[in-house]
Amino acid sequence: EDQVTQSPEALRLQEGESSSLNCSYTVSGLRGLFWYRQDPGKGPEFLFTLYSAGEEKEKERLKATLTKKESFLHITAPKPEDSATYLCAVQAWAGNNRKLIWGLGTSLAVNP
Amino acid sequence: DTAVSQTPKYLVTQMGNDKSIKCEQNLGHDTMYWYKQDSKKFLKIMFSYNNKELIINETVPNRFSPKSPDKAHLNLHINSLELGDSAVYFCASSPPRTTQETQYFGPGTRLLVL
Repeated sequence: EDQVTQSPEALRLQEGESSSLNCSYTVSGLRGLFWYRQDPGKGPEFLFTLYSAGEEKEKERLKATLTKKESFLHITAPKPEDSATYLCAVQAWAGNNRKLIWGLGTSLAVNP
Repeated sequence: DTAVSQTPKYLVTQMGNDKSIKCEQNLGHDTMYWYKQDSKKFLKIMFSYNNKELIINETVPNRFSPKSPDKAHLNLHINSLELGDSAVYFCASSPPRTTQETQYFGPGTRLLVL
């Protein structure tokens, strides 16, 4: 069964303290792994898509990497404005179409 | 400019009522989705439409009926609301399936059934 597991559930960092969030997945035939950010009371906001093992993408203090079994979202020198829930999703088949299977997210709090 | 918009933002109603949520996207996308996010923040797809055609229909009670009058709009009608329907409902859209299928989300509709 297609599944996405994110860890940790919650993470509290001090400003400037780098860390990584994990997204492990089982899916038959990965067609894309997506990272989103969700702020309280808002819809998920797209960050990255990764398609193949070894691929990396960066945006400001965030860097996403992908292996055959998991993805990491590395946060370098985080700031309080990076506080949010980070969601991971993988693209899976739904009949002849594709759908996203979502993890439960990692709630990140960055203290000043 | 709002890319994906939903109305209403909040919806408080009594059990047994019927309600509708509306979604519009101005991104020129072909595919639109309805998701339910429960209190544990789990996002689960409910329906997907491509060019007004239903392409994904997950295991959702038939009290939920989506309707796409054109490819820029996707509405969700819910009959006989139950307490368990309380959640945040998100609409999303994505470009044609031949290009990157990133989904762009609306702000959500917070439904509370009393």
